[in-house]
Amino acid sequence: KQEVTQIPAALSVPEGENLVLNCSFTDSAIYNLQWFRQDPGKGLTSLLLIQSSQREQTSGRLNASLDKSSGRSTLYIAASQPGDSATYLCAVLYNAGNMLTFGGGTRLMVKP
Amino acid sequence: GAVVSQHPSWVICKSGTSVKIECRSLDFQATTMFWYRQFPKQSLMLMATSNEGSKATYEQGVEKDKFLINHASLTLSTLTVTSAHPEDSSFYICSAPRTGAGNTIYFGEGSWLTVV
Repeated sequence: KQEVTQIPAALSVPEGENLVLNCSFTDSAIYNLQWFRQDPGKGLTSLLLIQSSQREQTSGRLNASLDKSSGRSTLYIAASQPGDSATYLCAVLYNAGNMLTFGGGTRLMVKP
Repeated sequence: GAVVSQHPSWVICKSGTSVKIECRSLDFQATTMFWYRQFPKQSLMLMATSNEGSKATYEQGVEKDKFLINHASLTLSTLTVTSAHPEDSSFYICSAPRTGAGNTIYFGEGSWLTVV
């Protein structure tokens, strides 16, 4: 069974800290991996997409890495801001069916 | 702007009534769309795969007679919650894969259903 796990489930940090969110997956034969952000009462916003052939992607203060051999991805957020407070979800796309398998999410709170 | 539009964003209905949620791909065709459900503080769970021109494929534990899915065109899939009950109150979100470079999957804005 393909499973995606995210740790920690919740994280509270003071503004300005650099932080790392972790995502692990049991089946390394992935097509790509995406990190999403979800604000309360809102839909999903795609943050970064990493293809299976890539090792990392960067967008502004966000950097996502991918290590297929160990079944891990990390989302690095630099200089965190209160506006970064949200739930961050990682999702893996395997070859069959174009169906995403989601992790449980990490609820981030950045305190001013 | 959004490439997948979902409507309505919020809906409150009485117990026993039916509610329809629409998911549209705005500038591409999607032969497949996916419907997810999310309960508070839980992750998204796939409910069903909507297939244009054929029957939807439901995940285990999802009642196909209760959650009716119709993918009548290449840009529209609808989810109808029939005879809704308070336990059906949840966040429903659709997604549509856009084939091509990156095989990007786009999500709708989501629909919050409250059954009273």
